[in-house]
Parts: sequence; C-alpha cells; structure tokens
Amino acid sequence: DGGITQSPKYLFRKEGQNVTLSCEQNLNHDAMYWYRQDPGQGLRLIYYSQIVNDFQKGDIAEGYSVSREKKESFPLTVTSAQKNPTAFYLCASTPAGTGHQPQHFGDGTRLSIL
Amino acid sequence: GIQVEQSPPDLILQEGANSTLRCNFSDSVNNLQWFHQNPWGQLINLFYIPSGTKQNGRLSATTVATERYSLLYISSSQTTDSGVYFCAVEGNDYKLSFGAGTTVTVRA
Repeated sequence: DGGITQSPKYLFRKEGQNVTLSCEQNLNHDAMYWYRQDPGQGLRLIYYSQIVNDFQKGDIAEGYSVSREKKESFPLTVTSAQKNPTAFYLCASTPAGTGHQPQHFGDGTRLSIL
Repeated sequence: GIQVEQSPPDLILQEGANSTLRCNFSDSVNNLQWFHQNPWGQLINLFYIPSGTKQNGRLSATTVATERYSLLYISSSQTTDSGVYFCAVEGNDYKLSFGAGTTVTVRA
C-alpha cells in the first residue's frame, strides 16, 4: 500500500548527540514536510522541500537539518544545538511541489532525552 | 504566517450529541484541511475544503473563504470521535499553519 513511513516510532537521545529521523514515502509526491508537536499544542513547521535537492526553513528550523537527495526520502537530523528536542515529530507529503494539494501524514516519531 | 484560531479549546459530549467546531483564519487561503488526531498521535485527514461544503458520514465541514472561517460538524457523536481536531490552512507560501486544536471527549 502507498503511504508515508516514519522510523523509528520511539527514539532516545543523549545529551550532545545528533539523531536522525527517517521519513520515506512511496506516493510519488514531490513535496515533503517536517513538523514538531509539543504536548497540548498544534504542529509547527521545521523544514520543507518542494523538489529533490532543494529545501527551505520553516518556522522553527534552528537546531535541525535535512537533506533531500531522493524524491521518496526526507530525513531530519536533530542536532545537539537543539536544546529542547523532546517532542513528537511528524512527516508529511503532498503531490505537487507547486499548486495547493492536501498534505498526508506519517504516524510520527516520539523523541525523548535520556 | 497565517494565524489560525480554533474554538472551543475543549468539548465534552454525551454519546449521541451533535457539536460544531470553529476555525477562524487571518488571511485568504488556498488550502484548508481538518484533521483528527487519535490517542496514538496519528493524524487522519478528514476534509480538504478550501471553500464550500463537504460531508463524510456523520461529519461535515463548511468553509466560508470570504469570511475567513470554517466549521466542522459532528453529528450523533460516538466515543471513537474522541481526540483532538485540528484545522490547518495554507496561504501562497505552500506552508501549512495549524491551529491549537479542539480536544473532544465523548462520554458513553
């Protein structure tokens, strides 16, 4: 079945460590997005990519990095510079890099600090 | 970005009751989506509705783009309707802005 796969479901990070969250889609979507959700709040945009080899910062990009080397993959690295990384991270994709289409979401990764 | 306000923040319903959730936004939009987030965190698409009215079973939604609001109707609520409902809008920058959500609890 087509969809968006995020892994792992749960991730623990030690102080000073970088960790990478995986997001893979087989929907042939051009655009992909990363969001962060804190308890009791809505989602905030970290980074987004409308085409391969291109990405833009969202509203809360500090302490995060991404790459988009393949259409189906958009990994997110939470660096040691992100001082409060504990959150729920959601990846999304949409069919067109331009034009306005609904976004579809993966099941998320919960990141915690050890 | 576009500001999105959802009301009420919390809603407690008796099973079988009807309810209306509201989403106000601060600028014209090209995309508006309603989502349901279940207790496991999964975000489920309910409606893609930049304008007009749509229905899907016991749920329906109406967006009045000229007045910058959208309504989500839940009829004959069931316990499985519990969760958080989010409204999200997209302007010309292709970025989706989310409201803070309405937490719905349906009691048997």
